[in-house]
Amino acid sequence: GQQVQQSPASLVLQEGENAELQCNFSSTATRLQWFYQHPGGRLVSLFYNPSGTKHTGRLTSTTVTNERRSSLHISSSQTTDSGTYFCARNNNNAPRFGAGTKLSVKP
Amino acid sequence: DPKIIQKPKYLVAVTGSEKILICEQYLGHNAMYWYRQSAKKPLEFMFSYSYQKLMDNQTASSRFQPQSSKKNHLDLQITALKPDDSATYFCASSPLRVNTEVFFGKGTRLTVV
Repeated sequence: GQQVQQSPASLVLQEGENAELQCNFSSTATRLQWFYQHPGGRLVSLFYNPSGTKHTGRLTSTTVTNERRSSLHISSSQTTDSGTYFCARNNNNAPRFGAGTKLSVKP
Repeated sequence: DPKIIQKPKYLVAVTGSEKILICEQYLGHNAMYWYRQSAKKPLEFMFSYSYQKLMDNQTASSRFQPQSSKKNHLDLQITALKPDDSATYFCASSPLRVNTEVFFGKGTRLTVV
């Protein structure tokens, strides 16, 4: 079955708005990683966050392991944030990906 | 300065032919992986290798064969190519410790005509 579920599937924002992306996973044995995929295809790791809260710039990741969920918060969105955000749950060191949230930020 | 090198960046192949996708990592990692991303499916795990040995194989077709000639190499040989094999193939690596981050290469975009 689906091990990682992400919501929403897509999101359109006006520049400056905030976004909250959700990730739910099927097992508590989690090593949670958030990735950003550029529109051109390059995959970049944003956070490795198995539990707790981490910040980098305008991004915040919060993982609540015993509730099997993680979120990615983007504050004051910019057009350059447009792309696809993936949540991945590491299983024996090999991440399994959700279907992603496609974010579009309009100027 | 990329630490995970995938070659080529783009590849066009004829149906029925064979191709090898190259992956080298210079991060000192002992675990390497292959993923596939097509328009029809999200990022799909294919193989994981540890110390040049196969650890996990989620690819049903034997047409896909990883090859590890060195600790920091994990190439992917694809035989009898089909149009449905068209996708971007990503190589990744990580330290072998359990709780670690995984790093990805830039991918090889394969088109089978």
